[in-house]
Amino acid sequence: KNEVEQSPQNLTAQEGEFITINCSYSVGISALHWLQQHPGGGIVSLFMLSSGKKKHGRLIATINIQEKHSSLHITASHPRDSAVYICAVRPQETSGSRLTFGEGTQLTVNP
Amino acid sequence: DVKVTQSSRYLVKRTGEKVFLECVQDMDHENMFWYRQDPGLGLRLIYFSYDVKMKEKGDIPEGYSVSREKKERFSLILESASTNQTSMYLCASGGGGYYNQPQHFGDGTRLSIL
Repeated sequence: KNEVEQSPQNLTAQEGEFITINCSYSVGISALHWLQQHPGGGIVSLFMLSSGKKKHGRLIATINIQEKHSSLHITASHPRDSAVYICAVRPQETSGSRLTFGEGTQLTVNP
Repeated sequence: DVKVTQSSRYLVKRTGEKVFLECVQDMDHENMFWYRQDPGLGLRLIYFSYDVKMKEKGDIPEGYSVSREKKERFSLILESASTNQTSMYLCASGGGGYYNQPQHFGDGTRLSIL
């Protein structure tokens, strides 16, 4: 079983829909990251969380440390949001800045 | 903005060749990482380096080595390329510090071994 599980693996939505991607992890962490990967490969960091909630534009990320769960929400989705969204955690017990990654969620937003 | 530059976007090599993948960052980060990404498996750490000439094995180091002679450059070496090393390779830098700074990724190198 992976230490980081994402759901769903694939998600198709219509433009304007509210989208939620979930991430569950099984280890104690010092931080959780949400990353975005567009076709072509480049990865960008969207959020880094250790508690609570963060918002940037139409994106909202929440984390519940007790339940070991995080969600990424996209409001008023748009075709340009189509990408792979990756959850990654920094386990408390690993050395340095190592991250453990989920397998990613492929999001497709249709016009 | 942090810039992480990988030397090639696409690379085709033959089985048995020695392959070098280069990565350069411009933000004086101490930490640098090499990952491979395969469908259904996500990102897996091959090696990372936390200082010049310092390296540590990741989860899948077999068949790979690394070199960090200068702080800004981290090289991944496939000693004798094999077809099961066909993959997307991503370099990252950063991620250190008390405040859990994010890692910054390059655009990736799609490597095919024939």
